[in-house]
Amino acid sequence: DIVLTQPPLSSPVTLGQPTSISCRSSQSLLHSDGNTYLSWLHQRPGQPPRLLIYKISNRFSGVPDRFSGSGAGTDFTLKISRVEAEDVGVYYCMQAAHFPYTFGQGTKLEIK
Amino acid sequence: QVHLVQSGAEVKKPGASVKVSCKASGYTFTTYGISWVRQAPGQGLEWMGWISGYNGNTKYAQKLQGRVTLTTDTSTSTAFLELRGLRSDDTAVYYCAREPTLEPSMDVWGQGTTVTVSS
Repeated sequence: DIVLTQPPLSSPVTLGQPTSISCRSSQSLLHSDGNTYLSWLHQRPGQPPRLLIYKISNRFSGVPDRFSGSGAGTDFTLKISRVEAEDVGVYYCMQAAHFPYTFGQGTKLEIK
Repeated sequence: QVHLVQSGAEVKKPGASVKVSCKASGYTFTTYGISWVRQAPGQGLEWMGWISGYNGNTKYAQKLQGRVTLTTDTSTSTAFLELRGLRSDDTAVYYCAREPTLEPSMDVWGQGTTVTVSS
């Protein structure tokens, strides 16, 4: 199975400042169709996860443009350009390139 | 508007079975798949399996093989998760999530169903 590794905590960030979260895969997430199916999800306490980014860098409908994704192969990054209070919670990367799908262990956004 | 509405909370004894439903609305059910994901208390997300809304093809997590069955009823746009031989470590919130067929991701999620396994 593909293992996705995320730090458990983000670097502490002040509201309005940028931050990034990393996700490293144990093997390439390049699918045979040429796409890389790496997504980012956000989960607030007591709520279901919601999709932020799919295929590395595509923002899902309604996601603010302060969220962006980048990366290739086995190394991926989620960036938040200006952290807002509503961004608190846990961020998960997820791969759907190969069955079984797998998630990173999640990174909790830490606000200063 | 796309919605996935799941059935209510369940309390089961060890060894019993549970069946969770996920009713879809706002889109053509047969053009998407459904993945099931669970989250134990205080833990991360665990993928359980996927089912095609088009033809019912399934993929399962190996650790659950033999205990889990995913099905759909296209006449009611509903997906079902059945888990048998429940153990205490199956206590979790169970989510269904819509999955675009051509661009796998989990773009819309149900509200979650809490399953508690306790004697």
